[in-house]
Amino acid sequence: GENVEQHPSTLSVQEGDSAVIKCTYSDSASNYFPWYKQELGKGPQLIIDIRSNVGEKKDQRIAVTLNKTAKHFSLHITETQPEDSAVYFCAARLSGGYQKVTFGTGTKLQVIP
Amino acid sequence: DGGITQSPKYLFRKEGQNVTLSCEQNLNHDAMYWYRQDPGQGLRLIYYSQIVNDFQKGDIAEGYSVSREKKESFPLTVTSAQKNPTAFYLCASSIGRTTGANVLTFGAGSRLTVL
Repeated sequence: GENVEQHPSTLSVQEGDSAVIKCTYSDSASNYFPWYKQELGKGPQLIIDIRSNVGEKKDQRIAVTLNKTAKHFSLHITETQPEDSAVYFCAARLSGGYQKVTFGTGTKLQVIP
Repeated sequence: DGGITQSPKYLFRKEGQNVTLSCEQNLNHDAMYWYRQDPGQGLRLIYYSQIVNDFQKGDIAEGYSVSREKKESFPLTVTSAQKNPTAFYLCASSIGRTTGANVLTFGAGSRLTVL
């Protein structure tokens, strides 16, 4: 099955700086890579996703890049704000029929005002 | 507003007792899921259901049971056979059960503590 590794486990940045979270996946057949944000006491919420036929996707201050050859993808948050503080999960999903989503172990991001 | 409702939010249980966590969705989604969240381990899939009256084991199904008698409901029972049941449990749903990306919508979770 798919295995997703996520780094770092914790990340502290000053407000206004950028934050980068990196993930690697094991199965080259994975074709869908979502990122979820989980605020304290809440369930995760999708913030951005990317498919394997795209190398980069951007939505305002967040962007995701995908390197299929190296089997890694990253989340970039620019101009961080205190409300970006949360736990972020990357995930990967295999192609073909119904396939479950495999999550990384999460990154706790703290934005220091 | 459409969404997923999990109850109870907090639950305490004595060892040896079964407990059932409720999950209800009004999104008209076909698929529903149960995940377990432990510190440093991410989200692990317990059970999933692609359609009413059908469900499949996930990666850590031992000690858990589910039912899917209605499209909008997917309760999870944590049995006494689950050796380490203290955790945060998340229910999720997605639109379809066919190929393509499945965006998951999560509930707010239920925290189970075994005393």
